[in-house]
Amino acid sequence: NAGVMQNPRHLVRRRGQEARLRCSPMKGHSHVYWYRQLPEEGLKFMVYLQKENIIDESGMPKERFSAEFPKEGPSILRIQQVVRGDSAAYFCASSPYAVGTEAFFGQGTRLTVV
Amino acid sequence: KQEVTQIPAALSVPEGENLVLNCSFTDSAIYNLQWFRQDPGKGLTSLLLIQSSQREQTSGRLNASLDKSSGRSTLYIAASQPGDSATYLCAGIINTDKLIFGTGTRLQVFP
Repeated sequence: NAGVMQNPRHLVRRRGQEARLRCSPMKGHSHVYWYRQLPEEGLKFMVYLQKENIIDESGMPKERFSAEFPKEGPSILRIQQVVRGDSAAYFCASSPYAVGTEAFFGQGTRLTVV
Repeated sequence: KQEVTQIPAALSVPEGENLVLNCSFTDSAIYNLQWFRQDPGKGLTSLLLIQSSQREQTSGRLNASLDKSSGRSTLYIAASQPGDSATYLCAGIINTDKLIFGTGTRLQVFP
């Protein structure tokens, strides 16, 4: 059973471009969470999704950021018109159920905006 | 707003020492608590999960406890080794469906 898979591991974008980050949860996991880690800071919650539903997006910036978890395929975190402040490590986690179960994290995608 | 404090922020010890890492929440209504380690430039590895009905968990040289009444958790590392060097993060679920993370304790164990 492969772990949580994120790709790409590293992504470089110029200001104004779009960034697409992918996350494939562990087999059998239907709950996906996205977190952002800014340099020298802790992990901050962004969004919680189940298949085809956004459950909690209270940590998502109001503009330029969106997330989806379609019925088939990986979860996608999309950042439009990237700015330098978006440079961070973005982590995805999955769990088989919601509250009370262990969350497993991917290796992260390190986004650099130049 | 829930805040999570980890003490100490950094720790450097010779190998063989027994260590205690602390984690405290401003809101003690913790549903469950999870400890992770993060190596530089890498993802998070889950170490221990303490569920709502439990008070502690053990795995090898690691032991984590949770005192809900005070909103505090402790990670105990026995007989530390250089391979234990990493950042240790605690995270709790409090009345919501997401993990709230502390800022971590950066541990260095030297030979």
